[in-house]
Amino acid sequence: DTGVSQDPRHKITKRGQNVTFRCDPISEHNRLYWYRQTLGQGPEFLTYFQNEAQLEKSRLLSDRFSAERPKGSFSTLEIQRTEQGDSAMYLCASSRSSGYNEQFFGPGTRLTVL
Amino acid sequence: AQSVSQHNHHVILSEAASLELGCNYSYGGTVNLFWYVQYPGQHLQLLLKYFSGDPLVKGIKGFEAEFIKSKFSFNLRKPSVQWSDTAEYFCAVTERDSNYQLIWGAGTKLIIKP
Repeated sequence: DTGVSQDPRHKITKRGQNVTFRCDPISEHNRLYWYRQTLGQGPEFLTYFQNEAQLEKSRLLSDRFSAERPKGSFSTLEIQRTEQGDSAMYLCASSRSSGYNEQFFGPGTRLTVL
Repeated sequence: AQSVSQHNHHVILSEAASLELGCNYSYGGTVNLFWYVQYPGQHLQLLLKYFSGDPLVKGIKGFEAEFIKSKFSFNLRKPSVQWSDTAEYFCAVTERDSNYQLIWGAGTKLIIKP
């Protein structure tokens, strides 16, 4: 399978714990995006990378959130001191940086904070 | 700020009925427009996209959408729906030159009765 993959698919954690999610983009894509989706809403942009550089962060991304893409391939999204309001589906997408900007999405990681 | 409005959150149709899902966006500049679909238990997939040229675009599975610039609209249509079209449909917009973040509507859940 050469699509976008995310791990884990589900994560249940207690409030105050730290969690980390991983995204592996399509191999020839050098742009990677993170979105968050809550029930009944469309995805909301969180951040995006061009290769290893994080070029944009949404105001939604509080200081408890950090994302990395150290070698320009896979990316991690870490949430520190989780809160119940962080419960959501976290989506990763990737695209080429030239030409049409079609973003391909992974299956998402569903986070539940108890 | 950009926003995307989808007029109906839930639509229920019988098989063979015609479908039109509304999408309006608020942005005065040049945009790229997308419809994504999420089938039950699956990840987001691109249904169709508009970048330039013919404002009537055709996508997969018999779907089409028409970009009406004067109305800031990009409505999705299908002349005859099937039970397998049951899914959630999202309209999304990105600024032509930004090429990074998608702004999403809240989605429309479509249920097709067999």
